[in-house]
Amino acid sequence: DAMVIQNPRYQVTQFGKPVTLSCSQTLNHNVMYWYQQKSSQAPKLLFHYYDKDFNNEADTPDNFQSRRPNTSFCFLDIRSPGLGDAAMYLCATSRGVGRGKEVEQFFGPGTRLTVL
Amino acid sequence: TQLLEQSPQFLSIQEGENLTVYCNSSSVFSSLQWYRQEPGEGPVLLVTVVTGGEVKKLKRLTFQFGDARKDSSLHITAAQPGDTGLYLCAGVGANYKLSFGAGTTVTVRA
Repeated sequence: DAMVIQNPRYQVTQFGKPVTLSCSQTLNHNVMYWYQQKSSQAPKLLFHYYDKDFNNEADTPDNFQSRRPNTSFCFLDIRSPGLGDAAMYLCATSRGVGRGKEVEQFFGPGTRLTVL
Repeated sequence: TQLLEQSPQFLSIQEGENLTVYCNSSSVFSSLQWYRQEPGEGPVLLVTVVTGGEVKKLKRLTFQFGDARKDSSLHITAAQPGDTGLYLCAGVGANYKLSFGAGTTVTVRA
């Protein structure tokens, strides 16, 4: 089945120790997104790639970086995690940009990040 | 920023009862999506509504998009414990990004 896969499902890191979260997709979608979701809150968009074009949200801290080496994979790097970065990180994909089914997003299961 | 307000924030009902979740904004959206998220999992898309006044049914779930494309509702008939979860609405604005509501946590008691 076509899907969005995130690894690992649970990640524990130490304060200030860099961490990388991984996302892969078999949907062949053009757009990949990274969201941060804290408990009982809506997902917050950090950035997205339309193909190789990177689009950062204005309020995303510099501590968060992303890479998309090919269509299938996208990585989220947190350079110096703080306690406030503990959250669920969700990867999502969409076929493209526009309206209707073009922008329906398909989410992975998420990575729960704990910062000690 | 296009804000979407969801109400109620929490809803706890008995199995077999009906419920309605509302999603409201002062902004117009080109389309609106509803997702359900279970604890520890990513959101799963339920439906996309595109046309003002559109009504879509998914088994016991009925989704309506307001005539002005600023609001939407989700109605569940004869709720079951399997309907428990966080329901998120998300509007697609002019910049094609999703603006999520804060979510409604629905608990259906057996």
